Amino acid sequence: EAQVTQNPRYLITVTGKKLTVTCSQNMNHEYMSWYRQDPGLGLRQIYYSMNVEVTDKGDVPEGYKVSRKEKRNFPLILESPSPNQTSLYFCATWKSGDYNSPLHFGNGTRLTVT
Amino acid sequence: QKEVEQDPGPLSVPEGAIVSLNCTYSNSAFQYFMWYRQYSRKGPELLMYTYSSGNKEDGRFTAQVDKSSKYISLFIRDSQPSDSATYLCAINTGGFKTIFGAGTRLFVKA
Repeated sequence: EAQVTQNPRYLITVTGKKLTVTCSQNMNHEYMSWYRQDPGLGLRQIYYSMNVEVTDKGDVPEGYKVSRKEKRNFPLILESPSPNQTSLYFCATWKSGDYNSPLHFGNGTRLTVT
Repeated sequence: QKEVEQDPGPLSVPEGAIVSLNCTYSNSAFQYFMWYRQYSRKGPELLMYTYSSGNKEDGRFTAQVDKSSKYISLFIRDSQPSDSATYLCAINTGGFKTIFGAGTRLFVKA
């Protein structure tokens, strides 16, 4: 079964404590992306990766880091989380170049920073 | 101005009603239009996809694009309680970027 797996599903942390949200996919897609979803603002792209070792900033990259050392994994790193990063985060993959192909999303990680 | 505008609702309708969900967009060059459905505690899933102008029908769902007005719509006929979800319009800008509307929360009451 095609899957995008995020962990953890829920995370509560304190300001400044480094954390990593993992994302793994089994569809062999080149493209992976991180979004955050906030009420009234919809899904906003944080970072994306077009392939291994190729990453680029999305619309709201400040305070986040990513890495793409393997095709299947695309972790999101918050080195010093702040309360304004409290949000619902989604990892997504896409079959590059096929505009009929949808984005495949994970089930989300709800992060609370106190 | 946001690239994609969508009324967040919520929208509450009785079972069996026809539902109309809408978005406007700013860039006339956009050509790939999508609707995603998101259930509570789940990620969005593609519901409908259209290219350029016109209508596309899939069962009880119809997606409509009016490029002259820069307006996209999703119609749901004979709405069911199981249709209760958040509906997000989305536009693939032709590259690696997909932009989303804010999402409209729909409640269908039995």
